[in-house]
Amino acid sequence: GIQVEQSPPDLILQEGANSTLRCNFSDSVNNLQWFHQNPWGQLINLFYIPSGTKQNGRLSATTVATERYSLLYISSSQTTDSGVYFCAVSESTSYGKLTFGQGTILTVHP
Amino acid sequence: EAQVTQNPRYLITVTGKKLTVTCSQNMNHEYMSWYRQDPGLGLRQIYYSMNVEVTDKGDVPEGYKVSRKEKRNFPLILESPSPNQTSLYFCASSTGGGGYGYTFGSGTRLTVV
Repeated sequence: GIQVEQSPPDLILQEGANSTLRCNFSDSVNNLQWFHQNPWGQLINLFYIPSGTKQNGRLSATTVATERYSLLYISSSQTTDSGVYFCAVSESTSYGKLTFGQGTILTVHP
Repeated sequence: EAQVTQNPRYLITVTGKKLTVTCSQNMNHEYMSWYRQDPGLGLRQIYYSMNVEVTDKGDVPEGYKVSRKEKRNFPLILESPSPNQTSLYFCASSTGGGGYGYTFGSGTRLTVV
């Protein structure tokens, strides 16, 4: 099956700093999503981005499908950005299954 | 409000006592899935359904059952729960390529003692 690797595994920032999270995947995809899991365990959908670039406030994401990677940018980080960020993909042959990366644990200090 | 609703949010039960975790979506989505999340193992798919009466196994289906009799509901059934099924469970739904991806429920934290 498809492999999803996220880096870095852990990231510690001071409030106001910028960061880039990376997701590499091993095969063609028809779905790629970035999620934020908050301290209460909820999975919040940040972006649906199988290709191209999107922005939502301080967050933006870019997926280069031909090179099989996606980047999540967080600018001017806030303490509320803390949590785990997951990348999840569906292979082109199987929309029904999302495969998750292991996540990046982000801690933002005031 | 468009959402996926899981119940209960928290459940503590004993080994062997059958239980059902309900999942309902109000977005008329075709695809629905169940995932479990465990420390060190990440999120893994248990079962998924592409439409009414169409279900298929995910990566870790052992010990679970599902049914999809109506489009909006996709319950997860544990016929005889065991302690290794203690986990955080998520239900999710999607249009199946409609440009919005999967929407997840708030999760059910299950403890089997």
